[in-house]
Amino acid sequence: AAGVIQSPRHLIKEKRETATLKCYPIPRHDTVYWYQQGPGQDPQFLISFYEKMQSDKGSIPDRFSAQQFSDYHSELNMSSLELGDSALYFCASSPTGVLLSEAFFGQGTRLTVV
Amino acid sequence: AQKITQTQPGMFVQEKEAVTLDCTYDTSDPSYGLFWYKQPSSGEMIFLIYQGSYDQQNATEGRYSLNFQKARKSANLVISASQLGDSAMYFCAMRESMDSNYQLIWGAGTKLIIKP
Repeated sequence: AAGVIQSPRHLIKEKRETATLKCYPIPRHDTVYWYQQGPGQDPQFLISFYEKMQSDKGSIPDRFSAQQFSDYHSELNMSSLELGDSALYFCASSPTGVLLSEAFFGQGTRLTVV
Repeated sequence: AQKITQTQPGMFVQEKEAVTLDCTYDTSDPSYGLFWYKQPSSGEMIFLIYQGSYDQQNATEGRYSLNFQKARKSANLVISASQLGDSAMYFCAMRESMDSNYQLIWGAGTKLIIKP
């Protein structure tokens, strides 16, 4: 079965550079969530989209932006990268309004800022 | 206040033994869902099991079962006959129906190490 696809799997950037992470949700899932997981921490919610519109915002820095496109894939754009942005970034997708459903996670993008 | 509490930062368990990972939650929402995820060292987040607040029976998925005690607000994960491959971080999470975005609220996780 198709799963959530994230690319790239690994990314190394230097401080002050920009990075773009991509997420392709499961077909017919119209809700996408982005999470950031620092080393040894639980995932922190960044932002979510429903039907290509931002639906909720968590602890996303102003240096980050995200959008969902017409094909429902989503991109997380990160600018002026800092060492503290090094983390695992997860994308998850869900069918809308289905509480009785887990969020399906991608394999994550491991970002290292040096 | 913490909405999801996992009191065991780490656990060592002998292979083939059963293991219980604790999770307590706090919500005033009558309708919610509880989830357990496994995160191996490779980093991916793997869904294990789900329990709905109105489910009468405890959820089971293969070697995983969820000991749901609603009055105590606990949702412990039980892994029977543990295997070396079960070594991983385990996260308990919750979704509340009052949250229109159905965000997952996470516990801090439990690092489980299975000893041969």
